Amino acid sequence: TQLLEQSPQFLSIQEGENLTVYCNSSSVFSSLQWYRQEPGEGPVLLVTVVTGGEVKKLKRLTFQFGDARKDSSLHITAAQPGDTGLYLCAGFGTGNQFYFGTGTSLTVIP
Amino acid sequence: NAGVMQNPRHLVRRRGQEARLRCSPMKGHSHVYWYRQLPEEGLKFMVYLQKENIIDESGMPKERFSAEFPKEGPSILRIQQVVRGDSAAYFCASSVLSSSYNEQFFGPGTRLTVL
Repeated sequence: TQLLEQSPQFLSIQEGENLTVYCNSSSVFSSLQWYRQEPGEGPVLLVTVVTGGEVKKLKRLTFQFGDARKDSSLHITAAQPGDTGLYLCAGFGTGNQFYFGTGTSLTVIP
Repeated sequence: NAGVMQNPRHLVRRRGQEARLRCSPMKGHSHVYWYRQLPEEGLKFMVYLQKENIIDESGMPKERFSAEFPKEGPSILRIQQVVRGDSAAYFCASSVLSSSYNEQFFGPGTRLTVL
């Protein structure tokens, strides 16, 4: 099993603040995905990163894949209440499996 | 192009009954994964299937749980003789795997409540 640890587990911030969520592993993944899940819904794919060192931007969200493809970060600039949700990272690894992180629950207070 | 479909969205069963959860993958996707999620927790892998084959069922309890993905029709997750501890949200995801770029897309989930 290839484990992914996310930190922090819970995060509560004021609207307008910046934040970073981390996804770390000792295993190498061929690609890594980030999802956001809202209560009562399924996870929605935000981005996939493939190349070590890759940076992708999605409006106020910046995703980075570590050089060694073992870790990733998600940075949100000027957080808004609509960013509230559970953020999940998932690495694609051995056995054609997607290995999910432990999740980060984000609350943005208006 | 329709996304991953799951039904029912909500399912209530009494202890000892059977629960059948259905998942129709995205068009062209031949890989299906089932996950279980408890409130305020992440996703727990249960089983990975391709058409007519179970590839990895290491996350699925050996008793009472079974899964299939027939040549025609949806993937089915079946829970026999449900107990209160089976109450959870069950998600399926589908994927088309390539040599370099792989993504999963999730359905809306089935919320199972066992009374």
